[in-house]
Amino acid sequence: SQKIEQNSEALNIQEGKTATLTCNYTNYSPAYLQWYRQDPGRGPVFLLLIRENEKEKRKERLKVTFDTTLKQSLFHITASQPADSATYLCAPGGANSGNTPLVFGKGTRLSVIA
Amino acid sequence: EAGVTQSPTHLIKTRGQQATLRCSPISGHTSVYWYQQALGLGLQFLLWYDEGEERNRGNFPPRFSGRQFPNYSSELNVNALELEDSALYLCASEGQLNSPLHFGNGTRLTVT
Repeated sequence: SQKIEQNSEALNIQEGKTATLTCNYTNYSPAYLQWYRQDPGRGPVFLLLIRENEKEKRKERLKVTFDTTLKQSLFHITASQPADSATYLCAPGGANSGNTPLVFGKGTRLSVIA
Repeated sequence: EAGVTQSPTHLIKTRGQQATLRCSPISGHTSVYWYQQALGLGLQFLLWYDEGEERNRGNFPPRFSGRQFPNYSSELNVNALELEDSALYLCASEGQLNSPLHFGNGTRLTVT
């Protein structure tokens, strides 16, 4: 069955450093991978989507890579700020011609310490 | 544009009762997804509706059901509530297949 693993439940980093979050998947061939941010008591908010034919995608301080050989995506936040503290979810999708609903990893809770 | 709205925000029920949760998607979105997020767990897919039809269903018992109305709003019903049904229930809408999901802020269901 599909399995999605995000590297750690929690990650603490100093303000100004780069945070790197990992998403690994098995038994799955997604056409794309999405990253979401979730704050406590709120619904997830979409951040970035990267397709299988793209190696890297950037948006402001965010960068996502997608390696279909390693079955892995890396999510980077550069110059991190305390406001970046949240849980980040990865969601590989688009398998089975898109007739499979989006499945989410359990998330990594990022804390940026001032 | 107005986002996805869910009601009620909080719902407290006792074991054995029924709960009804409601979701209004973003205007123009025809697909609605329901997810359950229990404390400490990830988002678990429940149901997917599109154009009024159930497209897919997650690994949940039949007492979890729902429907989608002609205006694309949706309802999730949970019958014979159990303590472990306590969770945040999230609804999301999608404009086109395989595009990003837009989530509401959920209904917090507490079963006592």
